[in-house]
Amino acid sequence: DAGITQSPRHKVTETGTPVTLRCHQTENHRYMYWYRQDPGHGLRLIHYSYGVKDTDKGEVSDGYSVSRSKTEDFLLTLESATSSQTSVYFCAISEGGLRDQPQHFGDGTRLSIL
Amino acid sequence: TQLLEQSPQFLSIQEGENLTVYCNSSSVFSSLQWYRQEPGEGPVLLVTVVTGGEVKKLKRLTFQFGDARKDSSLHITAAQPGDTGLYLCAGTFNTGNQFYFGTGTSLTVIP
Repeated sequence: DAGITQSPRHKVTETGTPVTLRCHQTENHRYMYWYRQDPGHGLRLIHYSYGVKDTDKGEVSDGYSVSRSKTEDFLLTLESATSSQTSVYFCAISEGGLRDQPQHFGDGTRLSIL
Repeated sequence: TQLLEQSPQFLSIQEGENLTVYCNSSSVFSSLQWYRQEPGEGPVLLVTVVTGGEVKKLKRLTFQFGDARKDSSLHITAAQPGDTGLYLCAGTFNTGNQFYFGTGTSLTVIP
């Protein structure tokens, strides 16, 4: 299994609070991704990074920000969490870009916003 | 915007039966991947297809990419309870640089 660790694995918080999810990799892969998975929508890309301090928006980026200060860490922040952001969040990594490189996923963070 | 349609959404079969699940789009795929996801875990890559008409086999799983690169199928022969899971297709398109997942087919194989 690819060395990907997501933390925390579960979190319950209240509307309006800030939340930060962490993804840590030990594979030295250049690309890192954040997805959310919801019933009826599958996995949707939030943001991705193609190098240290290099990030770009995905399909559903509104309400989320990311940072990558080191190759191994990719942080996802909800500045002011809303109930619509209740979801399961997955981090993924790949050696190359999106088009033809396999992505390796972490085990997810289940986030509940009350 | 859901660019990838998967069917069926749910499938429950007896052990030993064969099955096929489908992934379709109105746009041409640049490349397509199939993943399998078990409860509480992230998706795991099964295969990548890039050439129209391509067929790949992985033990009892056969993956086919349509000639026009707008569709793909996954066929499982003699399904086993260990095949139970959510099967996801994912891909990129010739236009744009986004990576999209389908909503998945949830497969249950009954012993």
